[in-house]
Amino acid sequence: GENVEQHPSTLSVQEGDSAVIKCTYSDSASNYFPWYKQELGKRPQLIIDIRSNVGEKKDQRIAVTLNKTAKHFSLHITETQPEDSAVYFCAALNDYKLSFGAGTTVTVRA
Amino acid sequence: NAGVTQTPKFRVLKTGQSMTLLCAQDMNHEYMYWYRQDPGMGLRLIHYSVGEGTTAKGEVPDGYNVSRLKKQNFLLGLESAAPSQTSVYFCASSNTGAETQYFGPGTRLLVL
Repeated sequence: GENVEQHPSTLSVQEGDSAVIKCTYSDSASNYFPWYKQELGKRPQLIIDIRSNVGEKKDQRIAVTLNKTAKHFSLHITETQPEDSAVYFCAALNDYKLSFGAGTTVTVRA
Repeated sequence: NAGVTQTPKFRVLKTGQSMTLLCAQDMNHEYMYWYRQDPGMGLRLIHYSVGEGTTAKGEVPDGYNVSRLKKQNFLLGLESAAPSQTSVYFCASSNTGAETQYFGPGTRLLVL
């Protein structure tokens, strides 16, 4: 099955700086890559996604890039704010099933 | 629309007891999923369904059973609970299986 690796596991950034989270996947048949944000005690919520026919997608301060050849994709958060503090999960969709990375705990320091 | 709802929110079981977790969605989605979330391990797929009356095994199906008798409901059963099943359980649904999955609020289960 699909295997998704996510790095780093924790990330501390100064408010206003950028944060980057990287994921790799193993199955070249995976074709949809969502990113979820999960606040403490809450459900995962989709923040951005990208399909395999697109190299980059941006939504305000959040962007995702995909390199199909290398089988990796990244989440970029610019101008970080305290409300960006949360756990972020990447995932890859293959055969109707999502495989998740282990998560990155992002802490934004004021 | 309520989206995806889960019942109960929290439950404590003793080893060997059984229980059923209920997931309901009002978005007319075909695909439904059960995940468990453990610290440092992300979300792992237990079972899923591609439509009413269908079920399939995910990554960690042992010790769990599921049923999808109605399109809007997906039930997860634990026949004989074990401490290793202490976890947070999330249900999710998707319209086509190739799109966004929407998650329920979760059920926190503690098995003593």
